[in-house]
Amino acid sequence: SQTIHQWPATLVQPVGSPLSLECTVEGTSNPNLYWYRQAAGRGLQLLFYSVGIGQISSEVPQNLSASRPQDRQFILSSKKLLLSDSGFYLCAWDRTYEQYFGPGTRLTVT
Amino acid sequence: GENVEQHPSTLSVQEGDSAVIKCTYSDSASNYFPWYKQELGKRPQLIIDIRSNVGEKKDQRIAVTLNKTAKHFSLHITETQPEDSAVYFCAPHTSGTYKYIFGTGTRLKVLA
Repeated sequence: SQTIHQWPATLVQPVGSPLSLECTVEGTSNPNLYWYRQAAGRGLQLLFYSVGIGQISSEVPQNLSASRPQDRQFILSSKKLLLSDSGFYLCAWDRTYEQYFGPGTRLTVT
Repeated sequence: GENVEQHPSTLSVQEGDSAVIKCTYSDSASNYFPWYKQELGKRPQLIIDIRSNVGEKKDQRIAVTLNKTAKHFSLHITETQPEDSAVYFCAPHTSGTYKYIFGTGTRLKVLA
């Protein structure tokens, strides 16, 4: 069966510090991978998606970037965090359009 | 996909009553219509979906109905229970694209 992991589960970072969130998927090969952000009490905003190694598409211009160094690994990064980057970050993969989400990382920028 | 709206944004019902949430979309090419449930602090999970060749689908207490002409689909929950309390999201999708747009969410509270 397929499993999706994210870490860390929670993170508190000061403004201006770097960020690296990691997502890995097990039990499937060449998955489409997605990063979403959910602000407190809000909906899901698609940030990036990837259809293969090294292939990244950005949906929203911001100070975040994504990379896919391996088939089942997806990384979300920032060089300098902003207060507005706080939120719940969810990684997902899809199969026949159903999205399977990871457990999420709750990021608080102080 | 594209513009996606959900109504209502919040909904409170008495336990045992029914709840209906509506999702309106603008992209006439949409052909996959899911509903996700997100409990507090947890990840969203698919609870029911429908494809454009079907008008209604039911799974025990939940059902989804689709009106492609009017470009909306609805989630119906009957005999609501406290564990149905959560935020529900729609995410109409067009096959062949990778852009998933989620609705703004509906917070359902089932009062015991």
